[in-house]
Amino acid sequence: DTGVSQDPRHKITKRGQNVTFRCDPISEHNRLYWYRQTLGQGPEFLTYFQNEAQLEKSRLLSDRFSAERPKGSFSTLEIQRTEQGDSAMYLCASSPTGTRYEQYFGPGTRLTVT
Amino acid sequence: TQLLEQSPQFLSIQEGENLTVYCNSSSVFSSLQWYRQEPGEGPVLLVTVVTGGEVKKLKRLTFQFGDARKDSSLHITAAQPGDTGLYLCAGANTNAGKSTFGDGTTLTVKP
Repeated sequence: DTGVSQDPRHKITKRGQNVTFRCDPISEHNRLYWYRQTLGQGPEFLTYFQNEAQLEKSRLLSDRFSAERPKGSFSTLEIQRTEQGDSAMYLCASSPTGTRYEQYFGPGTRLTVT
Repeated sequence: TQLLEQSPQFLSIQEGENLTVYCNSSSVFSSLQWYRQEPGEGPVLLVTVVTGGEVKKLKRLTFQFGDARKDSSLHITAAQPGDTGLYLCAGANTNAGKSTFGDGTTLTVKP
């Protein structure tokens, strides 16, 4: 049974650099979500795809953030010109078709911007 | 904006004790999920409740969805050190896509 996978698990980068994270959802799930989580907080919604269409994007997501899901399979999240405030755990989740909205999370990518 | 408030924020108990944590909102949700998260890992889905008044049991864990579908509780009987973790609730609405998460209850069960 293959769950949601994320790569890399950890990323340390210098301020101003660009970073890209990858998420591979559970294969039969058509919905894919990106969240950001900081210490002591719950996951904060960033963006959501249904198949290859990006249906919603949080106002918290600045122009430096972009996400894609080509062909409705894996997804990438890119952060350009990273800032120290971008340091967080970036979580990806997928969900099957339906109205229960159960989400299955990957292990996350821990980003540290120095 | 839909908000979920979880209480207490922190809870430390001895092994064998019972506990209840709460998830409250002023908004109605179509469904509500509970997750458990360990440090450095992603949340793991425990249960989904969708009907007002619904009660679900998962071994020593009992989940209840409020009649008005605005709140939920998680009760753990005879807590064990393996129950230690961050318990998150998340609410979703039909056609909304995303889920709204609370900030969680950090539970520590001491042996």
